[in-house]
Amino acid sequence: GESVGLHLPTLSVQEGDNSIINCAYSNSASDYFIWYKQESGKGPQFIIDIRSNMDKRQGQRVTVLLNKTVKHLSLQIAATQPGDSAVYFCAENNAGNMLTFGGGTRLMVKP
Amino acid sequence: DAGVIQSPRHEVTEMGQEVTLRCKPISGHNSLFWYRQTMMRGLELLIYFNNNVPIDDSGMPEDRFSAKMPNASFSTLKIQPSEPRDSAVYFCASLRGSADTQYFGPGTRLTVL
Repeated sequence: GESVGLHLPTLSVQEGDNSIINCAYSNSASDYFIWYKQESGKGPQFIIDIRSNMDKRQGQRVTVLLNKTVKHLSLQIAATQPGDSAVYFCAENNAGNMLTFGGGTRLMVKP
Repeated sequence: DAGVIQSPRHEVTEMGQEVTLRCKPISGHNSLFWYRQTMMRGLELLIYFNNNVPIDDSGMPEDRFSAKMPNASFSTLKIQPSEPRDSAVYFCASLRGSADTQYFGPGTRLTVL
């Protein structure tokens, strides 16, 4: 079946630098995408979302970019802080209310 | 807002025992989801309820797993009998409306010895 693709790579960045986490999705019919942050011992926490009629959305220190042509989603974190260290998941909504999650990317922030 | 509440937070049991996990969704949310997370398989959707009715249970691994939602504020996931391979973190999430954000609970870490 189709799925969002990530296989838990690790991204290591210096505190204060910008981080970019990427995600490839395969279902062109997906119309809603979400980024979640999961800290150790906790449940996934909503960060930002974007609908398919947009290509960019900004939040506080985070930006999500959607490229439907190549089915690519990215999360940009500005001025990365130690508290941003976590596993980040992208998810796509392609069947009613059900989400398909990617495998996650671990972000490590070096002080 | 209390968020999604799950209990217990940790459960250790022996193979063959019955395990019941509990979830209270966010008030006013009409959809509820049970997920399982393991290192090997990541986050997997087990079952999805809408207005207390099971909509999709294709992710439930086998007949040992069952889920109920007797009312809008409570759901259970039961494993009977439990097996070591059921060891995982089980998350409950709830959602209001459609194509909206799912909010996750803190999870239940299940260990089956």
